Amino acid sequence: GENVEQHPSTLSVQEGDSAVIKCTYSDSASNYFPWYKQELGKGPQLIIDIRSNVGEKKDQRIAVTLNKTAKHFSLHITETQPEDSAVYFCAASIRLGGGTSYGKLTFGQGTILTVHP
Amino acid sequence: DSGVTQTPKHLITATGQRVTLRCSPRSGDLSVYWYQQSLDQGLQFLIHYYNGEERAKGNILERFSAQQFPDLHSELNLSSLELGDSALYFCASSLRGNNEQFFGPGTRLTVL
Repeated sequence: GENVEQHPSTLSVQEGDSAVIKCTYSDSASNYFPWYKQELGKGPQLIIDIRSNVGEKKDQRIAVTLNKTAKHFSLHITETQPEDSAVYFCAASIRLGGGTSYGKLTFGQGTILTVHP
Repeated sequence: DSGVTQTPKHLITATGQRVTLRCSPRSGDLSVYWYQQSLDQGLQFLIHYYNGEERAKGNILERFSAQQFPDLHSELNLSSLELGDSALYFCASSLRGNNEQFFGPGTRLTVL
């Protein structure tokens, strides 16, 4: 089955710096790659995603890049703020047959991001 | 707020007992997914239902079962509970033909 590796496990930055989190996946059939932010006591919140037919996607201070050949994708957060502090998870998904749903997400182990004021 | 609701928020029970966790998807979403989050295993997929039918199973124990009802809410049943079943249980929902999954706030299960 799919395996997703995520690095680093912890990341500490100063406010205003950039943060980069990297993930690799094993199954070349994976074609959907979301990123989730989880704050203490809450469920994972979808912050950005990318499909395999796209190399890069941006949403304000957040961007995701995908390298299908190398099977890795990354989350980039610019101008970090203290409220960006949370656990970030990458995930990968394989489209199921029938076209009705992409099915299960396989998650990385998570990155604890701390942004110091 | 994702629009996905889960009850109860916390559940404390004893080994050997049975519990039921409930999930209501976002309005219009036909798919419901269940995930377990623990410190040692991380976020693990358990099971997926689409419009009342089971579509995929992950690392779900035989002691666990789920169903999705005609009103699209879903229940996860955990029986013969063990200490190791203590975890956060999340459900997520998504639209038909779409793959963004939106997570609920979770149910924290503690087995004593």
